[in-house]
Amino acid sequence: SQQGEEDPQALSIQEGENATMNCSYKTSINNLQWYRQNSGRGLVHLILIRSNEREKHSGRLRVTLDTSKKSSSLLITASRAADTASYFCATDPSGGYQKVTFGTGTKLQVIP
Amino acid sequence: DAGVTQSPTHLIKTRGQQVTLRCSPKSGHDTVSWYQQALGQGPQFIFQYYEEEERQRGNFPDRFSGHQFPNYSSELNVNALLLGDSALYLCASSFGLSSDNEQFFGPGTRLTVL
Repeated sequence: SQQGEEDPQALSIQEGENATMNCSYKTSINNLQWYRQNSGRGLVHLILIRSNEREKHSGRLRVTLDTSKKSSSLLITASRAADTASYFCATDPSGGYQKVTFGTGTKLQVIP
Repeated sequence: DAGVTQSPTHLIKTRGQQVTLRCSPKSGHDTVSWYQQALGQGPQFIFQYYEEEERQRGNFPDRFSGHQFPNYSSELNVNALLLGDSALYLCASSFGLSSDNEQFFGPGTRLTVL
């Protein structure tokens, strides 16, 4: 079963605009990670945010985490056509061992 | 430095057959996890291998089995294939079992069951 649910399921924006994707999850977590997947290929790790962190940045990416609401958001600023991909959040439950559970994904299309 | 590699890239099998997928982890990694990704869905965790033992398992039947070799490479075996086993199978490697360690994914093996 999927632990996380991304919202929206699909997003289409113009190049240069910002894109925001949200992720909600059900159980307590040790950390939450965001991944990108191009055209059904392997996943690329973007950011890991720990349960005791509230915000994290990496280049044009900004991730926030609200453990009280069990939700996270991924913001991509100044989007590019190359950002077109599916984005997944993945949660790692409390307990130490790695057993990452992925959400259903947001399909982002950036129109040049 | 080679990343995670998987073979084969594509595979077509018929119902009832058996299949073996292979994964070589990123250099320096000792933990391998396998995921199944159906079309339009997120990856589902199958199992994880560390020190040649299965350490964690998701909700998959015993038809799914695996192995890890002393060089940390891994195999995923699926017996008695069903149409529903058609999916992209992803391998991910990491160092150790800590959930804080980043997983690196391979490009996947696309399995089609006819």
